[in-house]
Amino acid sequence: GAVVSQHPSWVICKSGTSVKIECRSLDFQATTMFWYRQFPKKSLMLMATSNEGSKATYEQGVEKDKFLINHASLTLSTLTVTSAHPEDSSFYICSARDVTGNYEAFFGQGTRLTVV
Amino acid sequence: GNSVTQMEGPVTLSEEAFLTINCTYTATGYPSPFWYVQYPGEGLQLLLKATKADDKGSNKGFEATYRKETTSFHLEKGSVQVSDSAVYFCALDNYGQNFVFGPGTRLSVLP
Repeated sequence: GAVVSQHPSWVICKSGTSVKIECRSLDFQATTMFWYRQFPKKSLMLMATSNEGSKATYEQGVEKDKFLINHASLTLSTLTVTSAHPEDSSFYICSARDVTGNYEAFFGQGTRLTVV
Repeated sequence: GNSVTQMEGPVTLSEEAFLTINCTYTATGYPSPFWYVQYPGEGLQLLLKATKADDKGSNKGFEATYRKETTSFHLEKGSVQVSDSAVYFCALDNYGQNFVFGPGTRLSVLP
């Protein structure tokens, strides 16, 4: 079945550095991908909608300069956390829809980011 | 916008106990409800879903019926196992775009 692969699954970085998270749809094309953030023991909150070939749409309160999203191809979206700080530590999950199938949504396995 | 309310737990049960996790929502229109499960250290997996009123979704012994009149999609399982320990999220499909998630319910099943 369709799979969304997210990489890395975990990363530890120093404050002030940037981290890039990749989200790939492995056997289907995704014109739209979604990035969610999950705080410890909390629900998933939509951060932004990534659109292939155009700018991402950010949810209210999400800093677009902080969380850079690039969706350069139909199978890859990237989220870059720039100048990371400890408060950015979280679990980030991407999702994509198989629009050529039955519109089912698939989620990546998530990336746990720890900023020290 | 759409919102989902579910019991937050944590819920602790003994093996073979009956499980109910309530989920209600407010929405514009009639978006489809879903249940997702997150096992420790992993991403989300689709557990079950419904697409129209009175649909019953079922998978791995779990069931939920989409009640349009009460805007509810309660999750049930007749006999839980230790392997069911996870966080369960009720969610609404936002018309084929993103999902709106409830706060999640952490379930611990003791042997």
